[in-house]
Amino acid sequence: GAGVSQSPRYKVAKRGQDVALRCDPISGHVSLFWYQQALGQGPEFLTYFQNEAQLDKSGLPSDRFFAERPEGSVSTLKIQRTQQEDSAVYLCASSQEGIANYGYTFGSGTRLTVV
Amino acid sequence: ILNVEQSPQSLHVQEGDSTNFTCSFPSSNFYALHWYRWETAKSPEALFVMTLNGDEKKKGRISATLNTKEGYSYLYIKGSQPEDSATYLCALYNGGATNKLIFGTGTLLAVQP
Repeated sequence: GAGVSQSPRYKVAKRGQDVALRCDPISGHVSLFWYQQALGQGPEFLTYFQNEAQLDKSGLPSDRFFAERPEGSVSTLKIQRTQQEDSAVYLCASSQEGIANYGYTFGSGTRLTVV
Repeated sequence: ILNVEQSPQSLHVQEGDSTNFTCSFPSSNFYALHWYRWETAKSPEALFVMTLNGDEKKKGRISATLNTKEGYSYLYIKGSQPEDSATYLCALYNGGATNKLIFGTGTLLAVQP
């Protein structure tokens, strides 16, 4: 597609529920990132894929967070047993290699509210 | 821990005013500085990617400068319009295999007609 597509746009989850957030990056973009933006904060890095390989998951806040990109295109971020502190906007972005010269292309994000 | 700071946190200006914001970052291991504009309910949009000390970039009424030795970048908007209302984010890339960006908390600009 022409841009990065994320779904759902909004998700309300009851505490303890599992959620899955989907990201469809720009076709041909090798790199895919997930970021979390809590209220009043800047986006914070969660994880990075190069094709299907997850090269960095150092930003995942706990073992309840899991991301995958099995065929090197669509990615899913899964959060198990959601907690209120997981409420945030989850942004997905893709890029060409050589990020120093190219910015990210972001999706519109998924706003997760845990009640 | 690398810290990218932006100021002010928010700004209200009248249509036609010119304005500027600051992004400060550690000057060691600098590779690139990115600026993004994020309008409500839309995707963050890349404005500039700056890599060289002294870089100046311009896109319409928006321009940016970069000083890597002292660790700051300025974003300028000339003759602000209501459609410029958005959060402006800067982000540092300091190398590394994972290409991750370290974002500031953003400057929220509101332009009153």
